[in-house]
Amino acid sequence: EAQVTQNPRYLITVTGKKLTVTCSQNMNHEYMSWYRQDPGLGLRQIYYSMNVEVTDKGDVPEGYKVSRKEKRNFPLILESPSPNQTSLYFCASSLIHKDTQYFGPGTRLTVL
Amino acid sequence: EDQVTQSPEALRLQEGESSSLNCSYTVSGLRGLFWYRQDPGKGPEFLFTLYSAGEEKEKERLKATLTKKESFLHITAPKPEDSATYLCAVHLSGAGSYQLTFGKGTKLSVIP
Repeated sequence: EAQVTQNPRYLITVTGKKLTVTCSQNMNHEYMSWYRQDPGLGLRQIYYSMNVEVTDKGDVPEGYKVSRKEKRNFPLILESPSPNQTSLYFCASSLIHKDTQYFGPGTRLTVL
Repeated sequence: EDQVTQSPEALRLQEGESSSLNCSYTVSGLRGLFWYRQDPGKGPEFLFTLYSAGEEKEKERLKATLTKKESFLHITAPKPEDSATYLCAVHLSGAGSYQLTFGKGTKLSVIP
């Protein structure tokens, strides 16, 4: 089944404790992206990747890192999480950047 | 100023009561407009892509249309299972052309 998977689905952590949210797609898509969704603010893009080893900042990149070493994986790294990064995070992928993006199930992160 | 505006923010309909949701965008150079459906706590689910003014697409009770500055999602004889948040996103040419910009969504509730 064609899909985007994310892990973990739920995470509660404390300020400053480094964490990684994994994202994987099995559709051989070139483009991958991370979003956060907050009440009243909608979906905002954090980082995106046009292809392996090619990443760029979205609208809200502060406090986040990404890497794209393999085509199928695009992990989101929070080196020192803070409470304002408490949010619902989505990974998405598309064949190329202008194609339809398909979303993962989401990761609900709480930073205490 | 928001580049993508959705209205209304929330809409309550009786089952069978047809209506339309609006998505307007303020920038030029549209390369694609996307409609998604999102259920609470889940990832957005792709519905339609529209590329040029005058284009229409249909799926079951939903029909999406596109003009030069806005798109409408028409819901005909809605059922309770159509209750969800409907998101609109645009893909633009030029600066930011590798990103999707989302509206804040319209939360639809269909009452039996």
